Amino acid sequence: RKEVEQDPGPFNVPEGATVAFNCTYSNSASQSFFWYRQDCRKEPKLLMSVYSSGNEDGRFTAQLNRASQYISLLIRDSKLSDSATYLCVVNAHKLSFGAGTTVTVRA
Amino acid sequence: DAGVTQSPTHLIKTRGQHVTLRCSPISGHKSVSWYQQVLGQGPQFIFQYYEKEERGRGNFPDRFSARQFPNYSSELNVNALLLGDSALYLCASSLGPGEQVLDEQYFGPGTRLTVT
Repeated sequence: RKEVEQDPGPFNVPEGATVAFNCTYSNSASQSFFWYRQDCRKEPKLLMSVYSSGNEDGRFTAQLNRASQYISLLIRDSKLSDSATYLCVVNAHKLSFGAGTTVTVRA
Repeated sequence: DAGVTQSPTHLIKTRGQHVTLRCSPISGHKSVSWYQQVLGQGPQFIFQYYEKEERGRGNFPDRFSARQFPNYSSELNVNALLLGDSALYLCASSLGPGEQVLDEQYFGPGTRLTVT
């Protein structure tokens, strides 16, 4: 079983829509959680750190469910610039990355 | 402030050759981690260094080695290159060793290595 698993998508949504996707992790001792976004052929950029049971940053909401070992990311009012691959990252003494969820926002 | 820098940006090598990749962390950051990312996958952890000591090693063969210098910059070395080593090699820096819950890592632009 992979340490971090994500639905690869792609999620194709119109501008203004809400899109949400999950990530599951296998190591119950994981200490911290992050979402990164990665544009094509670029480096990952930190989008959000996930605190406690979840947190919000503008149009982005992350939730953490330790009992079920999953993290979710919700994007409200999608913009064309939100088109990217979103990487779920779990820290259990080393960062483990999911393979990413691709989101495409269309005009 | 400068972010994480890596050199070179692109590199083409032949099977069996050796390569050295370089990384300078964000000023004030003492930890550097190296990742390998092949197309369609997330980054895979190779090494972490903190205060010049190896703090973690991923599931990579001994052909991969790294070190961190007193100024916290780092080198990743790969010997006896294989075609499968072709990937984007990412360096990330963080303030601490990653033991703090929110020890966030920031990535450099990467070195794209092609082995022919």
